[in-house]
Amino acid sequence: DGGITQSPKYLFRKEGQNVTLSCEQNLNHDAMYWYRQDPGQGLRLIYYSQIVNDFQKGDIAEGYSVSREKKESFPLTVTSAQKNPTAFYLCASSPIWTRTNYGYTFGSGTRLTVV
Amino acid sequence: AQKITQTQPGMFVQEKEAVTLDCTYDTSDQSYGLFWYKQPSSGEMIFLIYQGSYDEQNATEGRYSLNFQKARKSANLVISASQLGDSAMYFCAMREGEWETSGSRLTFGEGTQLTVNP
Repeated sequence: DGGITQSPKYLFRKEGQNVTLSCEQNLNHDAMYWYRQDPGQGLRLIYYSQIVNDFQKGDIAEGYSVSREKKESFPLTVTSAQKNPTAFYLCASSPIWTRTNYGYTFGSGTRLTVV
Repeated sequence: AQKITQTQPGMFVQEKEAVTLDCTYDTSDQSYGLFWYKQPSSGEMIFLIYQGSYDEQNATEGRYSLNFQKARKSANLVISASQLGDSAMYFCAMREGEWETSGSRLTFGEGTQLTVNP
């Protein structure tokens, strides 16, 4: 079955470390997105990409970096510059230039905790 | 810029009763899409229902219906015959343009935590 796989499910980071969250999709979607969710709050867009080797900053890109070397993969690196990285991170994908009635397909998320 | 407002941080409903979750939106676009997602405590986002700005009828999907009032810019979710499994966080979201286009992205509200009591 097609879908989005995020790994790991739980991640612990020491202060000052960079960590990379994986996101892979086999839906042949052109667009991929990373969102951050803090407890009891909505989703905020970190980065998104509509095509390989191109991506745009979202609303809260500071302290994060991404790459899009393959259509299927959109990893997110949380750098040491991100002062408060503890959060739930969701990856999503969608087709482009099609009328879809479901918005995005989401992964199951990665819960990152700074220790 | 588009904005989604969900004014109910928490809602409670008795099992088997109906509940309405409020969502208002702000956009200058004539064409847009509105979505509702459910997020259980496991964290996954589950698509519930979609309404396009040019759809003349309110969307329905099983026990979910969307009360779309375009002039008031509201897109409330109605859940009929609530079940214990409906307890979750619910998010309203909006996309500029009814079609997926380059640069289109979803903007989410803050969410409403629904608790269904037995």
